[in-house]
Amino acid sequence: QKEVEQDPGPLSVPEGAIVSLNCTYSNSAFQYFMWYRQYSRKGPELLMYTYSSGNKEDGRFTAQVDKSSKYISLFIRDSQPSDSATYLCAMIPSNFGNEKLTFGTGTRLTIIP
Amino acid sequence: DGGITQSPKYLFRKEGQNVTLSCEQNLNHDAMYWYRQDPGQGLRLIYYSQIVNDFQKGDIAEGYSVSREKKESFPLTVTSAQKNPTAFYLCASSFGQMNTEAFFGQGTRLTVV
Repeated sequence: QKEVEQDPGPLSVPEGAIVSLNCTYSNSAFQYFMWYRQYSRKGPELLMYTYSSGNKEDGRFTAQVDKSSKYISLFIRDSQPSDSATYLCAMIPSNFGNEKLTFGTGTRLTIIP
Repeated sequence: DGGITQSPKYLFRKEGQNVTLSCEQNLNHDAMYWYRQDPGQGLRLIYYSQIVNDFQKGDIAEGYSVSREKKESFPLTVTSAQKNPTAFYLCASSFGQMNTEAFFGQGTRLTVV
């Protein structure tokens, strides 16, 4: 079993819809949770990160962490064609030292105009 | 503009040859990382370095080598010992040891012909 599980999709939704992307994990030591967006043939770019449980909002994006369920989500409101990309979750036990990021496999998202 | 530059964008290698991928950053970041990305497998850590002249193996270091002679540079050599080198290679860096804010380069697509 992988430490981080992410549905690879593909996921297609109409423009303007709310998108929900999710990851589950098995390592209860994970404390920091990141979401990256990766356009085709480009490097990932950090969208946002959260610490421990709770919600964090940044414009149209909301990250949600439920540590009791070992489940994290990224919501995209008012989705745009420019949101079409692969979304990677990543997590780490602490923010310092020799800890390594553990990535999900990524979910490919297409927003249909 | 500050950022991470990977070169070349596309690279072709004959079987049995070593090849070196370049990664340069002008963000004054201490830590640098090399990842490999394959379809359906997410990002896997090859090597990382947190200070000059020091580096550690990641999860899939076999068949790869690195050096960190300068803070700005972290080249990756894919040796002939790497059995399946065709992949998308990503370099990343982060300030100090703050792994939650890693910045990625645009990647190098290596194809063995």
